[in-house]
Amino acid sequence: RKEVEQDPGPFNVPEGATVAFNCTYSNSASQSFFWYRQDCRKEPKLLMSVYSSGNEDGRFTAQLNRASQYISLLIRDSKLSDSATYLCVVGPYGQNFVFGPGTRLSVLP
Amino acid sequence: GAVVSQHPSRVICKSGTSVKIECRSLDFQATTMFWYRQFPKKSLMLMATSNEGSKATYEQGVEKDKFLINHASLTLSTLTVTSAHPEDSSFYICSANDRAYSNQPQHFGDGTRLSIL
Repeated sequence: RKEVEQDPGPFNVPEGATVAFNCTYSNSASQSFFWYRQDCRKEPKLLMSVYSSGNEDGRFTAQLNRASQYISLLIRDSKLSDSATYLCVVGPYGQNFVFGPGTRLSVLP
Repeated sequence: GAVVSQHPSRVICKSGTSVKIECRSLDFQATTMFWYRQFPKKSLMLMATSNEGSKATYEQGVEKDKFLINHASLTLSTLTVTSAHPEDSSFYICSANDRAYSNQPQHFGDGTRLSIL
């Protein structure tokens, strides 16, 4: 089983839709969780950290479920500019964090 | 915020050439830096962990003699792709943690797009 797994995607949704991504991790000792966004041919950029109590940043909501070992990202009122690959990141394991394979989102006009 | 600078951003060269990529942390010290490779429409793959003052740790399947890593200071790591071939063409990205905040996310360089003809 892979350390970090994500919904395979791609997700094709119309503008204004609400979309949710899930990510599961295998190491129960994981302490830190993040969502990154990667645009085509660009480096990943931190979107938001995921806190135990859940957190919201504008249209984006992240949730953590330690018991079931998964995190989620909810995007409300999708914009065209939200089209990207969303990477789930879990760690640290020593100095490293493990990236999920990513879920590609396409928001359609 | 913390910045990681990667250079060059784009390299096109002939088969057999060795290519050096630099990764610098500009406003923080990084005991550890990470080198990733990403093929088109594929996920980031960790190649190696670069440790300041010691040997790099390579992931399984990554040839250490092919991908030479040097981490000579707390702000600079280099990756040299030796005798590059077309199959080495890829997007190479480095990242670093601020050693003062080891539990915080990594900061990425802009990446280097390597094309071997």
